[in-house]
Amino acid sequence: DVKVTQSSRYLVKRTGEKVFLECVQDMDHENMFWYRQDPGLGLRLIYFSYDVKMKEKGDIPEGYSVSREKKERFSLILESASTNQTSMYLCASSFPAGGDEKLFFGSGTQLSVL
Amino acid sequence: RKEVEQDPGPFNVPEGATVAFNCTYSNSASQSFFWYRQDCRKEPKLLMSVYSSGNEDGRFTAQLNRASQYISLLIRDSKLSDSATYLCVVNINFNKFYFGSGTKLNVKP
Repeated sequence: DVKVTQSSRYLVKRTGEKVFLECVQDMDHENMFWYRQDPGLGLRLIYFSYDVKMKEKGDIPEGYSVSREKKERFSLILESASTNQTSMYLCASSFPAGGDEKLFFGSGTQLSVL
Repeated sequence: RKEVEQDPGPFNVPEGATVAFNCTYSNSASQSFFWYRQDCRKEPKLLMSVYSSGNEDGRFTAQLNRASQYISLLIRDSKLSDSATYLCVVNINFNKFYFGSGTKLNVKP
């Protein structure tokens, strides 16, 4: 089974703090993604990466950055946390499948910024 | 306009009922289609892919209508354990997945 592991299930941070969310997958997937999920808005893509050191902005990258130094690890960084970044953060991975790519998710990090 | 639209529900049905969810998508270039299930405060998990010919997995049947840009999920003989939120997901290309906001299902004894 594909395993996508997020380092923290719950996090509480203060406004202005730098926050690191870590994600590791064990299936050698090329593609990794960071989403946030908010009630009524569904999942929105923050950033994705299709290879080591490669990254592309998603739909809502403002206030976030990412790092992918190793294939299995994709980190999301909140440079200066704000209250509107309180959300559920979901990491996902997929492998290229000629148009039949499927996403596999980690268990999520519920981040509260106070 | 949202890329993927779903009725948020909730759908409240008794055990044993048949229930159907619908989903519409706006991008005609969409390549692949999925239903994911998400339990409260958990991550989404793949329920099934959706193919043009329609496909079935036990009590679950998925249909795709490309002409109308419409996807459906039918659940027969509902179980209490089917209570969850069902997400419609559309893939434009390898990295572009669009999610509906989800349809909540409550199966009651």
